[in-house]
Amino acid sequence: QKEVEQNSGPLSVPEGAIASLNCTYSDRGSQSFFWYRQYSGKSPELIMSIYSNGDKEDGRFTAQLNKASQYVSLLIRDSQPSDSATYLCAVNGGDSNYQLIWGAGTKLIIKP
Amino acid sequence: DVKVTQSSRYLVKRTGEKVFLECVQDMDHENMFWYRQDPGLGLRLIYFSYDVKMKEKGDIPEGYSVSREKKERFSLILESASTNQTSMYLCASSFLEGGAGYTFGSGTRLTVV
Repeated sequence: QKEVEQNSGPLSVPEGAIASLNCTYSDRGSQSFFWYRQYSGKSPELIMSIYSNGDKEDGRFTAQLNKASQYVSLLIRDSQPSDSATYLCAVNGGDSNYQLIWGAGTKLIIKP
Repeated sequence: DVKVTQSSRYLVKRTGEKVFLECVQDMDHENMFWYRQDPGLGLRLIYFSYDVKMKEKGDIPEGYSVSREKKERFSLILESASTNQTSMYLCASSFLEGGAGYTFGSGTRLTVV
C-alpha cells in the first residue's frame, strides 16, 4: 500500500515566524511532489510542485525534496494569518504518473 | 482563467434519490477525478477517467457510478443516495502525464436526509 504521511497538527506558529510542514512517502519510484493549500470549506489549491532533489523557492514558500530519505517539506517564511489553512502533500504513484497519493493534511494556525 | 466548474455548491437530497453531480473543465485535460472528503479521512478517490468513455474505479466506488461522454465533462452518479454519502465531493482534472498536478473544482457539499 503506497502511503503519504503527514502530521495532522494543528501546528501553531507565531505571525512572522517560519512554518515548517513535513511529509514522508513510501513509494521510491515517485517522481512528482506537490503541496496544496486548503482553506476551511474550500477546495485544495496547488501552491508548489517539486521534481528534483533540493530546494525550490516561490516567494515566501520553499519546497524541499530528499528522495533518498523519501521526505518532502514546505517552509513558509514570514507567516501571515492568511496562511492559516490545511496543507496537503501529494505524491504521484511510481507506476502511474497521473495518479496522486494524498496525505491527510496538516492544519496550520498562524497566531497574530 | 482556466477552470474546473462543479454545477452545485450545496445540494440537499432525500434518501433513495438518484443524484447527479456534474463537473466541466475548460483546460483540455485528459484526466478527470472524483473525490469525497470527510473530516479525519482525507481525500478518497471514488472514480477517475483518463479518456472519453473510459472509467476506472478508485478506492471507494461502491454506491457510485460515473459517465464521461465528452472530454470536458465528468459526471458522478449516486444511484440511490444514502445518509452515509453525505460529504464534500471534489472534482479534479489533469493532463495525461499528470506532471503539473491537479486542478480542483470548488466542491459540492451534499447532504442526504
